[in-house]
Amino acid sequence: DAGVTQSPTHLIKTRGQQVTLRCSPKSGHDTVSWYQQALGQGPQFIFQYYEEEERQRGNFPDRFSGHQFPNYSSELNVNALLLGDSALYLCASSFGASRSADTQYFGPGTRLTVL
Amino acid sequence: QKEVEQDPGPLSVPEGAIVSLNCTYSNSAFQYFMWYRQYSRKGPELLMYTYSSGNKEDGRFTAQVDKSSKYISLFIRDSQPSDSATYLCAMRTGAQKLVFGQGTRLTINP
Repeated sequence: DAGVTQSPTHLIKTRGQQVTLRCSPKSGHDTVSWYQQALGQGPQFIFQYYEEEERQRGNFPDRFSGHQFPNYSSELNVNALLLGDSALYLCASSFGASRSADTQYFGPGTRLTVL
Repeated sequence: QKEVEQDPGPLSVPEGAIVSLNCTYSNSAFQYFMWYRQYSRKGPELLMYTYSSGNKEDGRFTAQVDKSSKYISLFIRDSQPSDSATYLCAMRTGAQKLVFGQGTRLTINP
């Protein structure tokens, strides 16, 4: 049973560029959440996708956008990259956005470096 | 003030010691409490999950939640060098957005 997978593993971009990160949820899961983890900090919630719609959003600017596909996989897009966007980007999957009891399982993350 | 406070450490203990990790929080609406373990440059791995107040035990790990004090703990018995990692507390209300502490970096010395 495959867990949560993310690609790419590492990415180096320059300021002003755009980046797309990808996530495939754990088998049987239909909800994907994205988190940003700066060095030495806990993950910060970016947004959550369920039924191909953004259901919740954290305190992140509109430069951060996402998409969920019919097969439940998801993309995170960041435009106009800033140095402060350098972080580990984590994808977490769960089942059913409305089911309070379900927990989230994390992927290995994509490490983004902005130069 | 952050919603979830966690001492970042670092914490260093000898092998075999009992480790106590803690978090405090301010949002009384939190109902679900989790501990994740994160090895260097890896994603967080779910260790313990607790709903509301009480204790939960799983092998060498015990999670405690005291909602009246807004305080949660993770105890590790008979600690092993392989337990060396960053431990993140996380919590949420009914919605699935997780709010994390900063993480405590733990080293178990052989």
